[in-house]
Amino acid sequence: DTAVSQTPKYLVTQMGNDKSIKCEQNLGHDTMYWYKQDSKKFLKIMFSYNNKELIINETVPNRFSPKSPDKAHLNLHINSLELGDSAVYFCASSQVSAADNQYFGPGTRLLVL
Amino acid sequence: AQSVAQPEDQVNVAEGNPLTVKCTYSVSGNPYLFWYVQYPNRGLQFLLKYITGDNLVKGSYGFEAEFNKSQTSFHLKKPSALVSDSALYFCAVRAADSNYQLIWGAGTKLIIKP
Repeated sequence: DTAVSQTPKYLVTQMGNDKSIKCEQNLGHDTMYWYKQDSKKFLKIMFSYNNKELIINETVPNRFSPKSPDKAHLNLHINSLELGDSAVYFCASSQVSAADNQYFGPGTRLLVL
Repeated sequence: AQSVAQPEDQVNVAEGNPLTVKCTYSVSGNPYLFWYVQYPNRGLQFLLKYITGDNLVKGSYGFEAEFNKSQTSFHLKKPSALVSDSALYFCAVRAADSNYQLIWGAGTKLIIKP
């Protein structure tokens, strides 16, 4: 069973569209994350979310909005897609403790045309 | 402020030779240190971490890392490299007593040549 799964794996869309990426974890973790990996492979945290708090990276445009229907799911909705949004988006999860490592999904490769 | 530096964009090693991927950090208080590996077109995988205790930490796939407090370093090592070790390696740090996010290095591409 896949611990952290994401759908879709690939997403090709036109500029201006709205799209969503789904993430599910079956590890029983309390915290989930969204990361963006750009073409230079830099990894940037976008959001972290647990039962109590959503932490937003202030550099993330408000076109990006995380939605968590329950603690096993953290979806990412993107409005008005721009060319610069093209990247690989990774979902991850962990326990709340700062000592716990994160488990990553396989990534969603987004290409905005 | 917390930070992580991976000073080498790329490391080239011949198969069978020892490898080292460097990581230095800056954090207030005691650090929690992590290494992750990313194979092409895959998500990141946890390799090993230092939380407390023995400065030499052993992890997956024969990798180990040594925590050096005085040099604020956490270099990743392997005694004998395999071609299959070729991947992108990320170092990350978090202060032990904070709720701050994990801070990631820029990654080091490791190329093992046959």
